[in-house]
Amino acid sequence: AQSVTQLDSQVPVFEEAPVELRCNYSSSVSVYLFWYVQYPNQGLQLLLKYLSGSTLVESINGFEAEFNKSQTSFHLRKPSVHISDTAEYFCALNAGGTSYGKLTFGQGTILTVHP
Amino acid sequence: DVKVTQSSRYLVKRTGEKVFLECVQDMDHENMFWYRQDPGLGLRLIYFSYDVKMKEKGDIPEGYSVSREKKERFSLILESASTNQTSMYLCASSKAARIRAQNFGPGTRLTVT
Repeated sequence: AQSVTQLDSQVPVFEEAPVELRCNYSSSVSVYLFWYVQYPNQGLQLLLKYLSGSTLVESINGFEAEFNKSQTSFHLRKPSVHISDTAEYFCALNAGGTSYGKLTFGQGTILTVHP
Repeated sequence: DVKVTQSSRYLVKRTGEKVFLECVQDMDHENMFWYRQDPGLGLRLIYFSYDVKMKEKGDIPEGYSVSREKKERFSLILESASTNQTSMYLCASSKAARIRAQNFGPGTRLTVT
């Protein structure tokens, strides 16, 4: 069985500060990893994904995540956050590329950016 | 852009009522999913479907059933709503081939009183 653990339930930061949202996973087979973002009163939007190839993946709004197989991690980082980044972030994995694309989600991290 | 729509944003029902939550996607996706989202628990998979009339249980199927009569529509049914089913319900869809990200609807916040 696979699992995803997001190590921080809430992360408060000041605007323009760097941030890291931590995600660790457990799986006995190969994994495909995703970060989703949920703004208040909305559904989830895909932020970025790791399927294969380069272990560093980037989003269009300045976030990046690095797949680290030895540490079974997929932490999300941004060097300088904006007020508009305030949202809940979910890490998710698909294990083995099978089971019709089912995803296992972490518990979520609420990022609050203060002015 | 893939559009996943859900029939209601907010719903209030009484204990014991039969509740239908509808989800429609417009991009010919084979896979569709129903999740519930609760604070501190993330998203938990209730049921999913990989083809018309095909369904499989997720992690928390008790108290729920689903129906998929057409490819674009996936319904979640609460046969007899209970207060512990008060939650946010999210529908998602994805293409069958290879690993694809899921596309989510806006969610339905269900309150059972």
